[in-house]
Amino acid sequence: AQSVTQLDSQVPVFEEAPVELRCNYSSSVSVYLFWYVQYPNQGLQLLLKYLSGSTLVKGINGFEAEFNKSQTSFHLRKPSVHISDTAEYFCAVSAQTYNFNKFYFGSGTKLNVKP
Amino acid sequence: ETGVTQSPTHLIKTRGQQVTLRCSSQSGHNTVSWYQQALGQGPQFIFQYYREEENGRGNFPPRFSGLQFPNYSSELNVNALELDDSALYLCASSRLAGGGGTDTQYFGPGTRLTVL
Repeated sequence: AQSVTQLDSQVPVFEEAPVELRCNYSSSVSVYLFWYVQYPNQGLQLLLKYLSGSTLVKGINGFEAEFNKSQTSFHLRKPSVHISDTAEYFCAVSAQTYNFNKFYFGSGTKLNVKP
Repeated sequence: ETGVTQSPTHLIKTRGQQVTLRCSSQSGHNTVSWYQQALGQGPQFIFQYYREEENGRGNFPPRFSGLQFPNYSSELNVNALELDDSALYLCASSRLAGGGGTDTQYFGPGTRLTVL
């Protein structure tokens, strides 16, 4: 089975400052990795994903993440945050299995961008 | 391209009742997964349907059941509702390619279920 740990439940940051949201996973098989964002009272929106290839992945809204297989991490970064980035962010992992697409989610990190 | 839609958006039920939630998958997708997101937690996998059959299930009791229809839309049914079933229920659709691999799951806006 797979599991995901998001090390920070809340991250406060000032507008225009850089931010890193941490995600570590455990798995006995190869995985795909995802970051989703959830705004209040809404569903999940895909930010970015790692399936294969380059370990640095760029997503929407200026976010990027780097897959580190040796450290089993997939940290999310943004060089300069905006007030509108205030939301909850979820890291998810999916095992590379045949015809089965179960996602394991972390418990989420609430990003609070202050003016 | 039509996204994932869910209905209803909100629902209030009492303990012991039954509920049906509905999901329309994104165009071109053949797989639907259901998740339960309790307040302050990440989504928890309930089950997945692929080509109208359940092909994976999380740690949820049998009173959680589902269906997938030929047009790939889906229902989640919960019998004998308990207070702890209060949560946001998310539907996600994706396209599994035969022969393995996975694809991104696209989520609907969710149904907020409150059990009193």
